[in-house]
Amino acid sequence: KAGVTQTPRYLIKTRGQQVTLSCSPISGHRSVSWYQQTPGQGLQFLFEYFSETQRNKGNFPGRFSGRQFSNSRSEMNVSTLELGDSALYLCASSLLRHEQYFGPGTRLTVT
Amino acid sequence: DQQVKQNSPSLSVQEGRISILNCDYTNSMFDYFLWYKKYPAEGPTFLISISSIKDKNEDGRFTVFLNKSAKHLSLHIVPSQPGDSAVYFCAASGLIQGAQKLVFGQGTRLTINP
Repeated sequence: KAGVTQTPRYLIKTRGQQVTLSCSPISGHRSVSWYQQTPGQGLQFLFEYFSETQRNKGNFPGRFSGRQFSNSRSEMNVSTLELGDSALYLCASSLLRHEQYFGPGTRLTVT
Repeated sequence: DQQVKQNSPSLSVQEGRISILNCDYTNSMFDYFLWYKKYPAEGPTFLISISSIKDKNEDGRFTVFLNKSAKHLSLHIVPSQPGDSAVYFCAASGLIQGAQKLVFGQGTRLTINP
């Protein structure tokens, strides 16, 4: 069974721009979560989607948004990029509570 | 508010010895705890977990201990191998304010020296 895939793997953007990241979960997984990883901060939870509905949300500003499609694929959007948004963005899918399977992440660099 | 803390950013251990990674949490509503391992350029992978009704769970070279009264868990790796060199994240799960939360610590970089 194919794992979680994320595109693109690497991205360079400038301040003020917006970016959209994509995540394809494991087949059959309906829950998709997004995390931001920065040095020293660990994995910060952004939001979780289940059956196209946002089920859970972390403490990030409204510039960070997401959505999920009927095939469970998910996108995350960040508008008006700031330097501090440079991070590894990880997507995870799950079928059962607790068991999250992570993708390789998208490395976003904001200059 | 960091509800899950890994106070050691890094740890260096000799091959063959025991590696002990520590994690503290603050919210008593957490009822399930997990350890993930992350190599560079890859996403975290699940390693081992423990329910709050237990105080120990073992899987091969990996053992997780939970001390609920101290709100502390630890991961023991014995014997340590060079392939264990990675960043380890602990995570705590529970129903917090009506929503199921999974909160990660900051990670500990483990280096196993040959």
